[in-house]
Amino acid sequence: EVQLVESGGGLEQPGGSLRLSCAASGFTFSSYGMHWVRQAPGKGLEWVSYISSSSSAMYFADSVEGRFTISRDNAKNSLYLQMNSLRAEDTAVYKCARDGHYGSAVFDIWGQGTMVTVSS
Amino acid sequence: EIVLTQSPATLSLSPGERATLSCRASQSVSTYLAWYQQKPGQAPRLLIYDASNRATGIPARFSGSGSGTDFTLTISRLEPEDFAVYYCQQRNKWPPLTFGGGTKVEIK
Repeated sequence: EVQLVESGGGLEQPGGSLRLSCAASGFTFSSYGMHWVRQAPGKGLEWVSYISSSSSAMYFADSVEGRFTISRDNAKNSLYLQMNSLRAEDTAVYKCARDGHYGSAVFDIWGQGTMVTVSS
Repeated sequence: EIVLTQSPATLSLSPGERATLSCRASQSVSTYLAWYQQKPGQAPRLLIYDASNRATGIPARFSGSGSGTDFTLTISRLEPEDFAVYYCQQRNKWPPLTFGGGTKVEIK
C-alpha cells in the first residue's frame, strides 16, 4: 500500500525549533519529488516547501523562507522539515505529499499530517 | 503569486443534485489546475489534474473543465460521500504553488 506517515509535531514555544519527518512506503521514494503542505486549524491548504527526487532543487514559501529547511534520505525513504524560529502563525497540521505521478506539482498521495502548535 | 478564488464558499445541495464549483485564477494558468477533495480529519484526495483529467479511481460523476483563468468542477449527481470541502490548485507558475480557499459542499 502506498503510504506517507508524518511524525514529529508537538507544542513548541515561539522562537523554538521542531523537526518533522515523513516516512514513505509502497513506492520507489527516490523517484519522486516531495512537498510539505500545511493547514491551519479551520483554514485552507498552504504549500510550504518542495524537494526534488535527488535533492538538487528545493523551494520554499515566502512565509517560511530562511526559517525552514527541507531534506530527504532516499536510503531511509524519509522526508524531513526542519522548522526554526517558530512563530504562532506556523501553527497548523503539516502534511507531506508526493509529486510527479501525474506531472510536476500535482499531489497524488498525501499523509494524514502531524500537528504543530506554537504557543507560549 | 497566482491567486485562486473559489466560489461559492458554501454550496448547499441534496443528494442526487448537480454541483458546480468555480475556481478563478488571477492570471492564466493554462490548463495546469488540479482539484482535491478533503473530508474532516482526512488527507486531501486528488480528483482532477490538468483541468479535466480524472485521477485513477475517481468516479465518472466528477468532471473538470476550463482553461486560462476560469475553471469548473462538476459533480453530476451528488452521492452521500461527496459532501466535503473541495480545493483547486495551480502549478503553472511556481514557486509558490497556490490553492484556492475552498468550497464546502454541504447537505441541504
